[in-house]
Amino acid sequence: KQEVTQIPAALSVPEGENLVLNCSFTDSAIYNLQWFRQDPGKGLTSLLLIQSSQREQTSGRLNASLDKSSGRSTLYIAASQPGDSATYLCTLSGSARQLTFGSGTQLTVLP
Amino acid sequence: GAGVSQSPRYKVAKRGQDVALRCDPISGHVSLFWYQQALGQGPEFLTYFQNEAQLDKSGLPSDRFFAERPEGSVSTLKIQRTQQEDSAVYLCASSWVRGEGTQYFGPGTRLTVL
Repeated sequence: KQEVTQIPAALSVPEGENLVLNCSFTDSAIYNLQWFRQDPGKGLTSLLLIQSSQREQTSGRLNASLDKSSGRSTLYIAASQPGDSATYLCTLSGSARQLTFGSGTQLTVLP
Repeated sequence: GAGVSQSPRYKVAKRGQDVALRCDPISGHVSLFWYQQALGQGPEFLTYFQNEAQLDKSGLPSDRFFAERPEGSVSTLKIQRTQQEDSAVYLCASSWVRGEGTQYFGPGTRLTVL
């Protein structure tokens, strides 16, 4: 059974700082890896999706990497802003296509 | 609507009551997923529909949980004889095809069982 671990569970940084969120997984037989953002009282918003054959994806200030051999992914956020404060969830899609989620990293960016 | 909608947004039930949670997926989306999210945890898969067919219900925690999508669009998750451990946020997601690409999530229904 796929297990997804996210470290750290919570992170607080001053505005403007660059930061890295980590995700590790146990089964490398994946179809894709996706990073979501979750705001309180709202649904999940997809940030980046990396197909199994890809190694990274970039969108604006966000960059996500995937290393299947080591079972790791990172989400890099450049020049963080208070509006980036949210819970970030790493998810994996396996053969059954349902998503397996980590527990998330709760990010607070202080103005 | 433009996105996935869920109703009600909040539901309080007394232990032992039955509840029904509704999901309206994005129009034309073939796949529909239900997830359960306990406080402080990531969502966990409950069940999956492709059109009206329930292809995977391996995540349903007990036979008190039942989901349907009779016409391949709106879906209902029903929980019978609710227990306190059923308290969670129930999320619905839809996608164009079976899991390919992005799943679009609704805002969720927060269920509290007293």
